[in-house]
Amino acid sequence: AQSVAQPEDQVNVAEGNPLTVKCTYSVSGNPYLFWYVQYPNRGLQFLLKYITGDNLVKGSYGFEAEFNKSQTSFHLKKPSALVSDSALYFCAVRALSSGSARQLTFGSGTQLTVLP
Amino acid sequence: EAGVAQSPRYKIIEKRQSVAFWCNPISGHATLYWYQQILGQGPKLLIQFQNNGVVDDSQLPKDRFSAERLKGVDSTLKIQPAKLEDSAVYLCASSLLSQAGVSGELFFGEGSRLTVL
Repeated sequence: AQSVAQPEDQVNVAEGNPLTVKCTYSVSGNPYLFWYVQYPNRGLQFLLKYITGDNLVKGSYGFEAEFNKSQTSFHLKKPSALVSDSALYFCAVRALSSGSARQLTFGSGTQLTVLP
Repeated sequence: EAGVAQSPRYKIIEKRQSVAFWCNPISGHATLYWYQQILGQGPKLLIQFQNNGVVDDSQLPKDRFSAERLKGVDSTLKIQPAKLEDSAVYLCASSLLSQAGVSGELFFGEGSRLTVL
């Protein structure tokens, strides 16, 4: 069975500092990895995804994520945090398998708070 | 481009009552999902449709939950009878299906928040 672990429930960072939100995964075969952000009382918004290719993927709002196959990780990063980045972040994984559907499994989420 | 539409945004019912949620996906998206998000947890897939067929309903509590997507476009999720533990946000999402049959990233609606008293 596939799974996602987000080891930190809460991450606090000062505005202007770099931020990292951690994610590790378990899946059979090659992974298809996503990061989503959720603002209060809103649905999830897509940030970025990794399928194949360059291990560093860039997404919306200046976020990027680094895929590390040996460590089965997909950490979300941003060089300089903004107060407006404060939100709930979810990592998700599914098996990359053409011709059939695979369930997208979400982590439990990490609350990011950027302090002014 | 219009996003995923869901209604109602909020619903309060008593236990043992029934409730229905509606979702209209992004035009052209073949795949539609219903997720349950309990407070403090990540979304959990309830059911996945591809066009009007069910792809995965392994985590749907079929004794009380049902869902349909009759014409392959909009969808309805029903709970009958509701239990206290059904209090959650019900998220609908849709995605494109590539020629290789791989679903792309999901686009979510704003959710329907259910409170069961």
